[in-house]
Amino acid sequence: AQKITQTQPGMFVQEKEAVTLDCTYDTSDPSYGLFWYKQPSSGEMIFLIYQGSYDQQNATEGRYSLNFQKARKSANLVISASQLGDSAMYFCAMREFARNRDDKIIFGKGTRLHILP
Amino acid sequence: ETGVTQTPRHLVMGMTNKKSLKCEQHLGHNAMYWYKQSAKKPLELMFVYSLEERVENNSVPSRFSPECPNSSHLFLHLHTLQPEDSALYLCASSRGRMGSSTDTQYFGPGTRLTVL
Repeated sequence: AQKITQTQPGMFVQEKEAVTLDCTYDTSDPSYGLFWYKQPSSGEMIFLIYQGSYDQQNATEGRYSLNFQKARKSANLVISASQLGDSAMYFCAMREFARNRDDKIIFGKGTRLHILP
Repeated sequence: ETGVTQTPRHLVMGMTNKKSLKCEQHLGHNAMYWYKQSAKKPLELMFVYSLEERVENNSVPSRFSPECPNSSHLFLHLHTLQPEDSALYLCASSRGRMGSSTDTQYFGPGTRLTVL
């Protein structure tokens, strides 16, 4: 079974609109962390935002926020006021702590976001 | 913040060649990683080194040979590769087991490898 599922292979969004990128995860570990990365066409993976499983509030970083719904095992990324530079591949990832002695982060397949002018 | 560099950025090699990819991190991290990213596939973790000791090898073919001489440097030695090994190879580092629960991995820009 997939640990991280991103159901949207591609999305097209008009500039300045808000975007929600979906991510669901599967774990039985009570302690885990969820990450979002951005990968522009240059190839570099850029860390965007982190949410811990015990965090009471949704994480926010500038225009990025994470809509964390623990019971649904969902960690959607919300980008407000999208910009042309937001066009990239976006990856959701998870790190399980209890049984993860090697600090492995598991990645989803990604969503390619296209911002239209 | 990147702090992780990779060389070369692009590499074209024949199947009989031997080459090496280099990764260097300037973040004082204790763990380093090699990932393979093929078209239309999720990131595949290849190797994990924590405090210079290899702790993970996800059944990677022996034609890929990692080397971690110290906590700042990581190499991936390549020999007799196949065309299907063409991919983007990404290096990452993190604080590892010494880090906090919020610790994330920081990635380098990758090496785009083409095997002819």
